[in-house]
Amino acid sequence: GDSVTQMEGPVTLSEEACLTINCTYTATGYPSLFWYVQYPGEGLQLLLKATKADDKGSNKGFEATYRKETTSFHLEKGSVQVSDSAVYFCALSDLTDISKYIFGTGTRLKVLA
Amino acid sequence: EAQVTQNPRYLITVTGKKLTVTCSQNMNHEYMSWYRQDPGLGLRQIYYSMNVEVTDKGDVPEGYKVSRKEKRNFPLILESPSPNQTSLYFCASSAPGQPQHFGDGTRLSIL
Repeated sequence: GDSVTQMEGPVTLSEEACLTINCTYTATGYPSLFWYVQYPGEGLQLLLKATKADDKGSNKGFEATYRKETTSFHLEKGSVQVSDSAVYFCALSDLTDISKYIFGTGTRLKVLA
Repeated sequence: EAQVTQNPRYLITVTGKKLTVTCSQNMNHEYMSWYRQDPGLGLRQIYYSMNVEVTDKGDVPEGYKVSRKEKRNFPLILESPSPNQTSLYFCASSAPGQPQHFGDGTRLSIL
């Protein structure tokens, strides 16, 4: 079945450091890929998405490129801020079975001032 | 404002006492889903619904029931709660295949 694997956390960075959170997936169909962010005490919010190979999603300085050849969708940011501290979830939705959303286990990011 | 509303936000109860967590969305979404979030396990899907009167099991449905009598509402029912159902629960809705909108969560503690 479809699955999402993301790097374990927590990830601790200093402010203005570069961020990469790895995400790889397996899917039998044609998935759309998402990154969600969860701030403390809140629900998940969509951060960015990509619907086909080579698409790049971007939002709030974060980027991720849908790479079919490596089945990856790594989240990157060039300079993190304290306010980026949150849990990040990689997810997929497979258009051949739109009833299912698959989430990774989440990666906690802590940014220190 | 587009939103998914869950109630209650927090609940402490005892084993065996039936409870219902309500979920309502105002976006006319067909798809709704319930998840539980546990440390180290991420989000696991409990039940989902593709439309009114259409529900199906997710990955961890044991001990839970749902209903979808109206498009906007998708309550989660724990008929006889047990301590292993202590968790953080999220309701979500979306158009099919589109990003999901999440509620703010319900933290359940079952003693």
